[in-house]
Amino acid sequence: DQQVKQNSPSLSVQEGRISILNCDYTNSMFDYFLWYKKYPAEGPTFLISISSIKDKNEDGRFTVFLNKSAKHLSLHIVPSQPGDSAVYFCAASVSDSSYKLIFGSGTRLLVRP
Amino acid sequence: DTAVSQTPKYLVTQMGNDKSIKCEQNLGHDTMYWYKQDSKKFLKIMFSYNNKELIINETVPNRFSPKSPDKAHLNLHINSLELGDSAVYFCASSQGGRLEAFFGQGTRLTVV
Repeated sequence: DQQVKQNSPSLSVQEGRISILNCDYTNSMFDYFLWYKKYPAEGPTFLISISSIKDKNEDGRFTVFLNKSAKHLSLHIVPSQPGDSAVYFCAASVSDSSYKLIFGSGTRLLVRP
Repeated sequence: DTAVSQTPKYLVTQMGNDKSIKCEQNLGHDTMYWYKQDSKKFLKIMFSYNNKELIINETVPNRFSPKSPDKAHLNLHINSLELGDSAVYFCASSQGGRLEAFFGQGTRLTVV
C-alpha cells in the first residue's frame, strides 16, 4: 500500500519555465515532508522540506507547497535549468522518534535547453 | 571528502553466498540508515540505528543483519543471497532527530 504517491513518472519542461512536481499522501499522521533530487549512479540529495504547520517553504528557486486538506504537496522550480534534470523523490514522515522516511516512486524531470 | 561513503559500489555474486556492504559517515551524525531501492525504484527503509542502538527494523528477512560498531559506521551483512535481493542499497545518516538524511552513492547488488 503506497502511502506516498508520485503519479507522474516523468515531466519535460523548457529551460527558464516553471517545473511543478506533485506528490500525494494517504497517511494523515504524516507531519513532515521532504523533497530529494537524484542523479544517475548517485544517492538522493536533500533539497527542501516542510513541516505540516506551514503551507509554503521557499529556498532560492525551489518552493514547496503543502495542502493538508487535500493531502497534496508540490515542488516548484523557477526558473528551471538543464542541471535540474534528475529524478525527484517526495518523502514523508511522522516526526516522532522513528526517523523513518516513506518515499514516493519518483518523477523524472527533463529540462530542455 | 565524501560525507557518506559506501563500499563496494558494485557487487555481483552468486546465489547462496554471504556478502557485506560497508558504510561510513564523517558528518558526526548520530543516526544511520539502510534503504533498499527495488526494481520499481521505490526507496524503502530497512534499518535505522541511533547512537549504535537499533531503532527501526522493518519487515526484512533475518538473512539481513546490520551491525554498527560505532556511531560513524553501519554495515549490512546478507546471508544466503537470493535473486530477489538484487537491488541498490543506500546508506544514509542524519543528526539529532532531524529527518533530512544524507545518502551515500549506493551499492548495486546483483545476485546471479
